[in-house]
Amino acid sequence: AQSVTQLDSQVPVFEEAPVELRCNYSSSVSVYLFWYVQYPNQGLQLLLKYLSGSTLVKGINGFEAEFNKSQTSFHLRKPSVHISDTAEYFCAVSDIGNQFYFGTGTSLTVIP
Amino acid sequence: DTEVTQTPKHLVMGMTNKKSLKCEQHMGHRAMYWYKQKAKKPPELMFVYSYEKLSINESVPSRFSPECPNSSLLNLHLHALQPEDSALYLCASSLGGRGYEQYFGPGTRLTVT
Repeated sequence: AQSVTQLDSQVPVFEEAPVELRCNYSSSVSVYLFWYVQYPNQGLQLLLKYLSGSTLVKGINGFEAEFNKSQTSFHLRKPSVHISDTAEYFCAVSDIGNQFYFGTGTSLTVIP
Repeated sequence: DTEVTQTPKHLVMGMTNKKSLKCEQHMGHRAMYWYKQKAKKPPELMFVYSYEKLSINESVPSRFSPECPNSSLLNLHLHALQPEDSALYLCASSLGGRGYEQYFGPGTRLTVT
């Protein structure tokens, strides 16, 4: 089974500041990588995904992520956050079949 | 239409009740999933249906019984639940196979009293 680590359980950041949410995974074989966002009392929404090709992936709401195979990382970034970005963020890995492996989540709080 | 719908939105049930959660998608997805999510935790996989057949059961207690009547519908039947089963139950669907993202519904907030 895969292991996904999100080192930061909580990240407070001021509005309009940049943010990076970290994700590391365990597999040495090819994996597919995803970032999801969950707003309070809602389901998960896909922000972006990496399947192959360019290591810099752009997603919705101004987010982007960089795949680094040597460091087995897939960190999420946004150059300038808004209050509306306050949410829980989950990194996920898919290897074989239909199963996803989720990280423990990072709670992003944007401070006005 | 990229929507997964779930009903009801909220459910309160006693430990002796029988209830069902419903999930529906019309995206032609052939894989459907049930997850359980506790507050501030990631979703925990419960069941996976692939082409309407149960393919993964993550050792879920028998008081949870899934059903996939057709390729668009997924039910979760609940019976004799415990208070610790109170959680957000999420349904998801995907095209199936490696690399396809899962689309999540808004969830059913279940409280067992």
